[in-house]
Amino acid sequence: GDSVTQTEGQVTVSESKSLIINCTYSATSIGYPNLFWYVRYPGEGLQLLLKVITAGQKGSSRGFEATYNKEATSFHLQKASVQESDSAVYYCALRVTGNTGKLIFGLGTTLQVQP
Amino acid sequence: GALVYQYPRRTICKSGTSMRMECQAVGFQATSVAWYRQSPQKTFELIALSTVNSAIKYEQNFTQEKFPISHPNLSFSSMTVLNAYLEDRGLYLCGAYRVRTEVFFGKGTRLTVV
Repeated sequence: GDSVTQTEGQVTVSESKSLIINCTYSATSIGYPNLFWYVRYPGEGLQLLLKVITAGQKGSSRGFEATYNKEATSFHLQKASVQESDSAVYYCALRVTGNTGKLIFGLGTTLQVQP
Repeated sequence: GALVYQYPRRTICKSGTSMRMECQAVGFQATSVAWYRQSPQKTFELIALSTVNSAIKYEQNFTQEKFPISHPNLSFSSMTVLNAYLEDRGLYLCGAYRVRTEVFFGKGTRLTVV
């Protein structure tokens, strides 16, 4: 079936350092997946951080970026210099085209940025 | 802007009882509403997708008999957890679709079963 695997548990990074959260996917359903990163700040709902619907393209938002790598089936999230306000839980997700709306999420990665 | 309100934010119910949660879309028309559950140590799982004027589509392992959903108009949906037990605890998230691929999520209803 379709699934998403991402860096597990908590990642702790010092402020101004770089970040990478790994995400790989498996899409066995018919169609090519659209890929997403969602973020959940403390006390808030899930918010879309960025999305890419075409293989080979890069999405970016708020200093974060992720490239849709179809060969490696990956969609790693990166940021060159994190801030304390980036502390949140990050979810990688896919939506199989042709499947109305259903998102398949990874387990989530908690980012803790230390001042 | 587009906002989605969910209530209650937290609720506790006794084992074997039922609880209803609501989802309100503000600032846009929600043609579809998806209900997800995040159980402890797990990720978000889709329970069902409801589209106005269409049948509600439940995912495997979730049934209408256990999670009845009402979606009477383009701004409101509710879901009830019937006969809740420990395995039903978790965070229930409502996602309202403005168009087929653009979804806005509420802050969730956290259900504790005692």
